[in-house]
Amino acid sequence: NAGVMQNPRHLVRRRGQEARLRCSPMKGHSHVYWYRQLPEEGLKFMVYLQKENIIDESGMPKERFSAEFPKEGPSILRIQQVVRGDSAAYFCASFRTGESTDTQYFGPGTRLTVL
Amino acid sequence: SQQGEEDPQALSIQEGENATMNCSYKTSINNLQWYRQNSGRGLVHLILIRSNEREKHSGRLRVTLDTSKKSSSLLITASRAADTASYFCATAGGTSYGKLTFGQGTILTVHP
Repeated sequence: NAGVMQNPRHLVRRRGQEARLRCSPMKGHSHVYWYRQLPEEGLKFMVYLQKENIIDESGMPKERFSAEFPKEGPSILRIQQVVRGDSAAYFCASFRTGESTDTQYFGPGTRLTVL
Repeated sequence: SQQGEEDPQALSIQEGENATMNCSYKTSINNLQWYRQNSGRGLVHLILIRSNEREKHSGRLRVTLDTSKKSSSLLITASRAADTASYFCATAGGTSYGKLTFGQGTILTVHP
């Protein structure tokens, strides 16, 4: 049973480009969180999604950032017109409906570098 | 200070010694979790303690929780060089869906 998968593991973008980060939750998991970790800091909650629904996006920057979790396929975190301050590690975590929400499984992260 | 703030920020010890890290938080919680992160890597879940528990053990790990003081401690006994990593506490509370609030972390260095 594969764990949470994220790709790419490393992403380099120039300022103004778009970044697309993908998260494939564990099999059977229909809930996904995205967290961002800036250098030398802890993780900060960004968004919580269920299949086809955004439940809580209180941690998402108001502009340039969007997230989706379609019925089929991975969850996507999209950052438009990236700036240097977007350089960070982005982690997703998933859990299964009906399972204790204590049990979140984290992916290995995508490290975004904006030049 | 932020929810889930660790203390100390950095800790350097010799192999075989014990390492204690503390975490303070501000709001009510459902549970508190500790994670380890090796440099440049993902998170590894270490242990979870619920708000109605006071102490929990897992191998060389011992976690305590004092809800009256809104604080927790993580003790690693007989440390090894392989324990070198950043350690984060994370609290879950305020929502029904387990959204985690992480602290800034403690960087632990264990010298062989």
